[in-house]
Amino acid sequence: LAKTTQPISMDSYEGQEVNITCSHNNIATNDYITWYQQFPSQGPRFIIQGYKTKVTNEVASLFIPADRKSSTLSLPRVSLSDTAVYYCLVALKGSQGNLIFGKGTKLSVKP
Amino acid sequence: KAGVTQTPRYLIKTRGQQVTLSCSPISGHRSVSWYQQTPGQGLQFLFEYFSETQRNKGNFPGRFSGRQFSNSRSEMNVSTLELGDSALYLCASSSLGQGAGTEKLFFGSGTQLSVL
Repeated sequence: LAKTTQPISMDSYEGQEVNITCSHNNIATNDYITWYQQFPSQGPRFIIQGYKTKVTNEVASLFIPADRKSSTLSLPRVSLSDTAVYYCLVALKGSQGNLIFGKGTKLSVKP
Repeated sequence: KAGVTQTPRYLIKTRGQQVTLSCSPISGHRSVSWYQQTPGQGLQFLFEYFSETQRNKGNFPGRFSGRQFSNSRSEMNVSTLELGDSALYLCASSSLGQGAGTEKLFFGSGTQLSVL
């Protein structure tokens, strides 16, 4: 049974790059990994998604190494408004109930 | 475009009762999925609907059920409520219908259910 593990919390300062890693076992070559951001009293908000190597969009990058045992969300130059909880989601193809969320990483950005 | 709308925002029920939660997806989105969020278990997938058909289901007891209407609006029902059902229930919609884990999900703000 797939399981995902994330750090419970991380601290950073404004302007720094933040990397949050999600460890996941038993995922196949085409299983998707997605990251969401959640603020208090709101639903999660999509950040980035991919299933291999590296994906970059206007707000983040996603790195998936060849062994696919982890993935890393990279946030360049964080600001105070990036203080939130970040969740990784692994989607296992070909199995029922196949969406596995990590427990979330609470990122605190300080001035 | 309006976002995903969930009603009601808050709900208080007692053990043994049943509850129905509603979700209106973004206009044009045909896929709706539901999630339970608790401090202890985090985010857990309940089920997903596309074109009125349930096409994926998480590991929850049969007390949890859902349906989707022809206008893509969705409801989920929990029967015989237990204290442990207290949670934030989130609904998400997506446009492509490729599967909730393989495309961008747009979440509503959720319904906070308290079971006393």
